[in-house]
Amino acid sequence: GNSVTQMEGPVTLSEEAFLTINCTYTATGYPSLFWYVQYPGEGLQLLLKATKADDKGSNKGFEATYRKETTSFHLEKGSVQVSDSAVYFCALGNSGGYQKVTFGIGTKLQVIP
Amino acid sequence: DTAVSQTPKYLVTQMGNDKSIKCEQNLGHDTMYWYKQDSKKFLKIMFSYNNKELIINETVPNRFSPKSPDKAHLNLHINSLELGDSAVYFCASSQIQADGYTFGSGTRLTVV
Repeated sequence: GNSVTQMEGPVTLSEEAFLTINCTYTATGYPSLFWYVQYPGEGLQLLLKATKADDKGSNKGFEATYRKETTSFHLEKGSVQVSDSAVYFCALGNSGGYQKVTFGIGTKLQVIP
Repeated sequence: DTAVSQTPKYLVTQMGNDKSIKCEQNLGHDTMYWYKQDSKKFLKIMFSYNNKELIINETVPNRFSPKSPDKAHLNLHINSLELGDSAVYFCASSQIQADGYTFGSGTRLTVV
């Protein structure tokens, strides 16, 4: 079945540091890929997405590229801010039939001033 | 004008009780979901309904019973609550898979 492997956190960075959170997946077909963000005490929000190979999703300075050859969808940001502190989830949608999104374990990011 | 709203936000109850969580979406989406998030933040799908029809039912104890009176509502009823049911329960909706989900803000259930 589908699965998502995401680096375990927590990740602690200083403000303005470069961020990479690794995500790899196992799936049949051509799934959609997502990054969601969960701020403390809130629900998950869609951060960015990519629906086919080589697509780049981007939002709020975050980027991730759908790499089919390495089955990866790593999240990057050039300069993190304290307000980026949250839990980040990589997720994968099944490629056929009804929608079912499989989530990774989540990576907690803490940005310190 | 909240897109996906869940009630209540917090629920504290004793073992053995029966409780319900309600979810409503005003996005016109056809598909709704219930996810359970444990204390380590792991998210696991429980149920999914498409236009009031159950389409996903993961290995969830039959003490959990979803009900969808119309495509804008998906409620979750839990019988005979156990300590292990303590978690945050998220409702979500979607229209097209490629657009991703819209989540509610969650219901933190604590069973004592």
